[in-house]
Amino acid sequence: NAGVTQTPKFRVLKTGQSMTLLCAQDMNHEYMYWYRQDPGMGLRLIHYSVGEGTTAKGEVPDGYNVSRLKKQNFLLGLESAAPSQTSVYFCASSRTSGGPPGELFFGEGSRLTVL
Amino acid sequence: AQKVTQAQTEISVVEKEDVTLDCVYETRDTTYYLFWYKQPPSGELVFLIRRNSFDEQNEISGRYSWNFQKSTSSFNFTITASQVVDSAVYFCALSRYTGNQFYFGTGTSLTVIP
Repeated sequence: NAGVTQTPKFRVLKTGQSMTLLCAQDMNHEYMYWYRQDPGMGLRLIHYSVGEGTTAKGEVPDGYNVSRLKKQNFLLGLESAAPSQTSVYFCASSRTSGGPPGELFFGEGSRLTVL
Repeated sequence: AQKVTQAQTEISVVEKEDVTLDCVYETRDTTYYLFWYKQPPSGELVFLIRRNSFDEQNEISGRYSWNFQKSTSSFNFTITASQVVDSAVYFCALSRYTGNQFYFGTGTSLTVIP
């Protein structure tokens, strides 16, 4: 009964370091998303995927890359971390597949600090 | 362009008071979907409701009720007889019919004082 699982939950990076956040869902959902949450700015979409092997840019994609090699996994990469990327990152999935949007199922969030 | 505005940044109420959280949206689509999510202090985001643009009936679920008014592009959320457990950040969101992007408001932080 895992739903959406994000790893790691916490990470501290130095400027310029790279890292990857992993999102895994066990609900066979087609759509997956990466959001960042910052104080006073709500949730902003970074990248999303409508199926295995496909990705697309969201509202704030700069500085991030993603991959969806397997349907159940959606990876978010930071190639060269910057302090502006300090945030809480949420992965989400939905059953939407070409029709009305289903609800988003969220992971627990990953808190990233870039020094 | 799609946009969701939650003008109330923070609200405090005393337990058992009623409270309404405002949500105003912008879209040129005729078919769209509106959502409310709750984020309690523990941090996870919990789905509360989904409403499509063709269904303007108000909905009630226990102490929660939602008022959708297309004429004013609003989808407000009312908690009746608030409880401490209602303390959370509440997000309103809009999705286009294709459902591949959700647009969130900036959230309203509700504190219920015992």
